[in-house]
Amino acid sequence: GAGVSQSPSNKVTEKGKDVELRCDPISGHTALYWYRQSLGQGLEFLIYFQGNSAPDKSGLPSDRFSAERTGGSVSTLTIQRTQQEDSAVYLCASSTDRGIDNEQFFGPGTRLTVL
Amino acid sequence: AQKVTQAQTEISVVEKEDVTLDCVYETRDTTYYLFWYKQPPSGELVFLIRRNSFDEQNEISGRYSWNFQKSTSSFNFTITASQVVDSAVYFCALSGTHGSSNTGKLIFGQGTTLQVKP
Repeated sequence: GAGVSQSPSNKVTEKGKDVELRCDPISGHTALYWYRQSLGQGLEFLIYFQGNSAPDKSGLPSDRFSAERTGGSVSTLTIQRTQQEDSAVYLCASSTDRGIDNEQFFGPGTRLTVL
Repeated sequence: AQKVTQAQTEISVVEKEDVTLDCVYETRDTTYYLFWYKQPPSGELVFLIRRNSFDEQNEISGRYSWNFQKSTSSFNFTITASQVVDSAVYFCALSGTHGSSNTGKLIFGQGTTLQVKP
């Protein structure tokens, strides 16, 4: 079956612009996670969605970052007024249910470069 | 606090050598899970194994084996008879209850880059 897909695969933007990154989870997966992978910080959790529950936003680095998940499926991560330190690979993952034991399936990521 | 440490930044071996990737974790949770993921040059993270905190049995899957020791808070990964295709970045990760939270978010180590030379 289809895995987690993300778009675009690459995004180059100018400092100060807004960007939107999209994630399509595996069909039927109720839990969705966003992570960021950067040279200086490694792999960091950003935000988590599970069904209709309030998202866990504890990993978002600033209020310029926001995310939504429409209809319990597709998710969009928005970064406003991008800064050079936002340059990273943004990874999306989904799993069948929340829980600390669930295997998360990762997408290929979106490489964001802020000039 | 939850933390995962992979002290080895890069390892280089020659094909057919055995190699062990170290992982040390910190958590106050009594129930937690440990994971290993592989990130090949293509970039996509691939799940390798999951181990819960109550199961200290070692596991072997083909050329891969894992050694979990709660006494030393370690979850080490060994590749036997390494192959060029094993070249990748390997991440160890921790998932715990974080108090009342049970989201399953992963705390990753910094990763170990393994290069297997022919």
